[in-house]
Parts: sequence; structure tokens; C-alpha cells
Amino acid sequence: GNSVTQMEGPVTLSEEAFLTINCTYTATGYPSLFWYVQYPGEGLQLLLKATKADDKGSNKGFEATYRKETTSFHLEKGSVQVSDSAVYFCALSAKGNKLVFGAGTILRVKS
Amino acid sequence: DVKVTQSSRYLVKRTGEKVFLECVQDMDHENMFWYRQDPGLGLRLIYFSYDVKMKEKGDIPEGYSVSREKKERFSLILESASTNQTSMYLCASGIIQGTYSNQPQHFGDGTRLSIL
Repeated sequence: GNSVTQMEGPVTLSEEAFLTINCTYTATGYPSLFWYVQYPGEGLQLLLKATKADDKGSNKGFEATYRKETTSFHLEKGSVQVSDSAVYFCALSAKGNKLVFGAGTILRVKS
Repeated sequence: DVKVTQSSRYLVKRTGEKVFLECVQDMDHENMFWYRQDPGLGLRLIYFSYDVKMKEKGDIPEGYSVSREKKERFSLILESASTNQTSMYLCASGIIQGTYSNQPQHFGDGTRLSIL
């Protein structure tokens, strides 16, 4: 079946630190991979996506590369800001236009 | 921009009540989804609908039902609310695209439901 595993949080970083949030998946077929972000009190917003192996998605300084050989889609940012504090969800597209989500990783950035 | 609007941000109900959560999208999307979000469990799919009057069970449909009478509106119904249904509920919409969509779903801001 389909599943997504994310690193447990919370992840606490100082401003301007390097961020990595690990995401691995198991899937049948040819899924697309997504990172969503949820700011406090809000719904989920798409952060970036990749639709096939070796694709790199990027947005707002965040990047993730679709690695089929390691079944991974790790999220990275070179220099985090306090405003990046949020919950980050990795997800894959499943048959029938559905999404399968990881458990979410809380990121806290201190000034 | 796509807008998905959920009728309530916060809701408090009593055990045994019938509860309605409403969701409206303005982008003419075929697909609509209801999730519940719980700490450490991520988002779990309750029900989804790919067309008016069509519905499909997700991963945790027990204790819930849905209604889609119009394309833009998708309602989640708790038939007889119980305390274990206290959660954050998120509605989403999206387009239909092949078997494995590469298009994102668009989410509302959520309804935090407490059952006392």
C-alpha cells in the first residue's frame, strides 16, 4: 500500500540555520510528491511538488528532490526564518486523485 | 486564487448531537475531500466525492456521512457525535486528472470541533 513517513518533531532551530526534514515513502504506481505547510490557525498550503523521479520542487527558498532510488523527498532550506515556524506535511498522490499524508513535522525557529 | 470556505472555525457540541460541517469551493473543482487532523497522525481521509451526489469512503468513514447536492458544496455529517470525534476537520478540493494527479488539493482553514 501507500504510506509516508516523516521525521518526528518538533524540530527547533535558530534563525539562519540549515533545515532538513526527512520524508520517505512507499507507493504503487507513479505518484507525485508534495510538501504542504500549515501556519498556526490556518489550513494547509502547497509549498512545493515534484511529479517524477529526479524532479526538484522549489518555492520560497525551500527545495526537495524526488529520489526514486531511495524513495525519499526530503525538504531543505538553507537559512530559516522565524516566519517559517509551522507544521510541514509530506504527501503523495494515490490512485483516484487522493493524497496520503505523513504525520507532520513541527518546526520552531527561534530568533 | 482558489477559495475553500468552511462554515465554522470553532464548534462545540454535545455527545449524541447530529453535527453538520459545511464546505464551499469557488473553483468548479470536481473533487472534494474531508479529512480529520490529529496530532501525530497527520491527515486522515474520511470521505471524498468526485461528482455531485457521488461519494466514496476514505480510510476512516465510521461514524460519518457526507452530502454533495451541488458541485461547490460538500457537507460532513456526524450522525451521533461522540467524544472521540473531537478533532480538527479540514475540507479540500481539487481537479480530476488521470489516475495519479499531479495537481495539488486546496484546503480550507479548518473547523476545530469539540464534543463534550
